[in-house]
Amino acid sequence: GQNIDQPTEMTATEGAIVQINCTYQTSGFNGLFWYQQHAGEAPTFLSYNVLDGLEEKGRFSSFLSRSKGYSYLLLKELQMKDSASYLCAVMDSNYQLIWGAGTKLIIKP
Amino acid sequence: GAVVSQHPSWVICKSGTSVKIECRSLDFQATTMFWYRQFPKQSLMLMATSNEGSKATYEQGVEKDKFLINHASLTLSTLTVTSAHPEDSSFYICSAREGGSDFEQYFGPGTRLTVT
Repeated sequence: GQNIDQPTEMTATEGAIVQINCTYQTSGFNGLFWYQQHAGEAPTFLSYNVLDGLEEKGRFSSFLSRSKGYSYLLLKELQMKDSASYLCAVMDSNYQLIWGAGTKLIIKP
Repeated sequence: GAVVSQHPSWVICKSGTSVKIECRSLDFQATTMFWYRQFPKQSLMLMATSNEGSKATYEQGVEKDKFLINHASLTLSTLTVTSAHPEDSSFYICSAREGGSDFEQYFGPGTRLTVT
């Protein structure tokens, strides 16, 4: 079966760095997405990785290792507004998105 | 660019009635649209995938006669929840994909449905 695993909840301090991990087992791979979702709102796109390595975009970076079925989202200089759920999703061989359950990130002052 | 709208943003209806939710891609043509449902504190659950001009493909466990999906044009898809019940109360989110080499799904803002 297809499976995406990510931690249920994480807590970090304002100004610090946090890494949210995602491991996956899917039928085929056409890229991995990270989305941010604030409570009561729809997800917003953060990043897309299809090749191994690190993609940096401002305070957010995303890493992918296809051989390990592993990705992480790195958030630097955390701000209170970064408190949200972070969803990892993998596009399988049918170009369907397989979603993880999301990681709720709590930022404390 | 790549804006998706949903209407209404929230709706309250009585049990047994039907509710229609619209999803529009405002500045691109969406060859594929997706409908998701999300219950509180849970992840997105894909309900169905629709391609313009063809019948929607429903995920296992989703009743196609209860959740009617129409994708009549490249910019509009509708989801009709028929004979709604309180257990259908949820956050319904659509997303759209332009297709070709663009695999990203652009999400609408969601519709919160409450059935009383």
